[in-house]
Amino acid sequence: LAKTTQPISMDSYEGQEVNITCSHNNIATNDYITWYQQFPSQGPRFIIQGYKTKVTNEVASLFIPADRKSSTLSLPRVSLSDTAVYYCLVGGPNQGGKLIFGQGTELSVKP
Amino acid sequence: DSGVTQTPKHLITATGQRVTLRCSPRSGDLSVYWYQQSLDQGLQFLIQYYNGEERAKGNILERFSAQQFPDLHSELNLSSLELGDSALYFCASSVGGTSVHEQYFGPGTRLTVT
Repeated sequence: LAKTTQPISMDSYEGQEVNITCSHNNIATNDYITWYQQFPSQGPRFIIQGYKTKVTNEVASLFIPADRKSSTLSLPRVSLSDTAVYYCLVGGPNQGGKLIFGQGTELSVKP
Repeated sequence: DSGVTQTPKHLITATGQRVTLRCSPRSGDLSVYWYQQSLDQGLQFLIQYYNGEERAKGNILERFSAQQFPDLHSELNLSSLELGDSALYFCASSVGGTSVHEQYFGPGTRLTVT
């Protein structure tokens, strides 16, 4: 499973756009990139998943460059309720269901 | 609400004891996963079952075991408990059995070993 590297923490203010970048230099051809969000004492929650280029849903966008060695989770106009830990994970369909969670990025949104 | 249920929510027990944590997956999901989250180790994958069979194994201790029953609910058994086993234990489920499939996490069971 490809190892991921992301910033340990980030600070932002309400209404700003937040971009969290994840590095995954050893990503395999079949691997997808998935982001989860976790609030304290709650289970992680799926945010978005992509393979290449750009994916957008109602809560976030995921940008993946052509070499796929990194990805950026973009949260538009964050609010205080977006304060959480964000995990970047890489894995493919041939690796079972094991999710390897790294340290994640602790995002703090201030008023 | 993810649709995954876990019982009990809290569990306090003594060292050396044995406990069983229970998980009911979302309706239609065939895969069940168990994770342990402690302050010093972060979120760690323990084991995965798919339609009753073990599919993947993480760093699960020999003192821990799990199974998935015909109705697809799962139980995680922790025995000879140690202080270091105190953690949040999460169950997750997904419709498929690969990491590409979105996993839905339950609310967790907080285990305290005294």
